[in-house]
Amino acid sequence: AQRVTQPEKLLSVFKGAPVELKCNYSYSGSPELFWYVQYSRQRLQLLLRHISRESIKGFTADLNKGETSFHLKKPFAQEEDSAMYYCALFHAGNMLTFGGGTRLMVKP
Amino acid sequence: GAGVSQSPRYKVAKRGQDVALRCDPISGHVSLFWYQQALGQGPEFLTYFQNEAQLDKSGLPSDRFFAERPEGSVSTLKIQRTQQEDSAVYLCASSPRLAGPLRSSYNEQFFGPGTRLTVL
Repeated sequence: AQRVTQPEKLLSVFKGAPVELKCNYSYSGSPELFWYVQYSRQRLQLLLRHISRESIKGFTADLNKGETSFHLKKPFAQEEDSAMYYCALFHAGNMLTFGGGTRLMVKP
Repeated sequence: GAGVSQSPRYKVAKRGQDVALRCDPISGHVSLFWYQQALGQGPEFLTYFQNEAQLDKSGLPSDRFFAERPEGSVSTLKIQRTQQEDSAVYLCASSPRLAGPLRSSYNEQFFGPGTRLTVL
């Protein structure tokens, strides 16, 4: 069965410090992985997807099939990055399986 | 343009009461999804519509949960005889194109603000 694990419920860093939000997955097929973000009092929105290999708001994520990971990274955190981050696996043609989420707090 | 909207935004129900949660997807979006998000957890898939057809309801936790989308636009999630464990945020999402087993690429799901259901 498919599963997405985000081991950290809370990650607190200072502004300007590097950030890495961990995501591990379990899936027998070829994975399609995403990061979703929810800022305070806003709705859940797509941040980035592994297929596009793009950098959004300075964030990148590399799919590592050997380690079954899709960690989200940013070299220099900003206060406006504070939010809930969810890693998600797309499968079965129509289903998203989400991890439990990590709250990122960037302190001034 | 307008995004996905949900109503009510907050609902308090007494245990045993029936509730109905509404989702208005983005106009023209073919696919519609319902998720349940318990406190401190990520969203969990409940059910999926393609136009008016409910193609997957494997995530519905019990037969007290029922969803419909009769005209392929607005959808209603109904919970009968609510229990305390039903307390959660219910999220609706819509997607502009078909999503099915033959499609290997993801069609972005746009989420609504959610309905927070509290069962006392």
